[in-house]
Amino acid sequence: EVQLLESGGGLVQPGGSLRLSCAASGFTFSSHVMSWVRQAPGKGLEWVSSLRTSGGETSYADSVKGRFTLSRDTSENTVYLQINILRAEDTAIYYCARGIVAGVGAGKYYFDYWGQGTLVTVSS
Amino acid sequence: EIVMTQSPATLSVSPGERATLSCRASQSISSDLAWYQQKPGQAPRLLIYGASTRATGISGRFSGSGSGTEFTLTISSLQSEDFAVYYCHQYNSWPPGFGPGTKVHIK
Repeated sequence: EVQLLESGGGLVQPGGSLRLSCAASGFTFSSHVMSWVRQAPGKGLEWVSSLRTSGGETSYADSVKGRFTLSRDTSENTVYLQINILRAEDTAIYYCARGIVAGVGAGKYYFDYWGQGTLVTVSS
Repeated sequence: EIVMTQSPATLSVSPGERATLSCRASQSISSDLAWYQQKPGQAPRLLIYGASTRATGISGRFSGSGSGTEFTLTISSLQSEDFAVYYCHQYNSWPPGFGPGTKVHIK
């Protein structure tokens, strides 16, 4: 059974940092694209970042580029999202999602499994 | 960047009726479109990918159609568990993008 378990969310002051984790199980970690999608309170879904677990290539939304860093530990089947210089607008539930590659090129994947999310609240 | 729009924003439907949800892309995305269902307090769930292929375990009540810039999700006979928010997602080109969602609620 595929499972994605996020952790690491919490309350942080503006300008602060957090590291989110997504522990994956039930599938071959190195064969997919692992991503983070966030949802601000009462709002829609926003793609944040993705990582190809086989080669380690990463991509980021413009809204987080330079502040967020996505990495992986293949021995632990875990991806990490380091989020720095947090702003109020980063407040959201952060979902980890498994991406299925659907073609050649950046962004060509859809999300077939999602974790339950971890809440990040940025407030003073 | 491709912009996704969905209509209507909210849809009132009686149980047993058909619901038709629309999604439009600002430029052609071929059939690189997925639909997700999200219930309150839950993570999104994949319903449809490739514009028309149902994901594993998804009821035949759900069907997707369209290509290019116009797409439709049809729920043939709404059940109580189908009242939720539905999002479309284009994965044809970077960055991946979601529509703003359609909320389906009980009439």
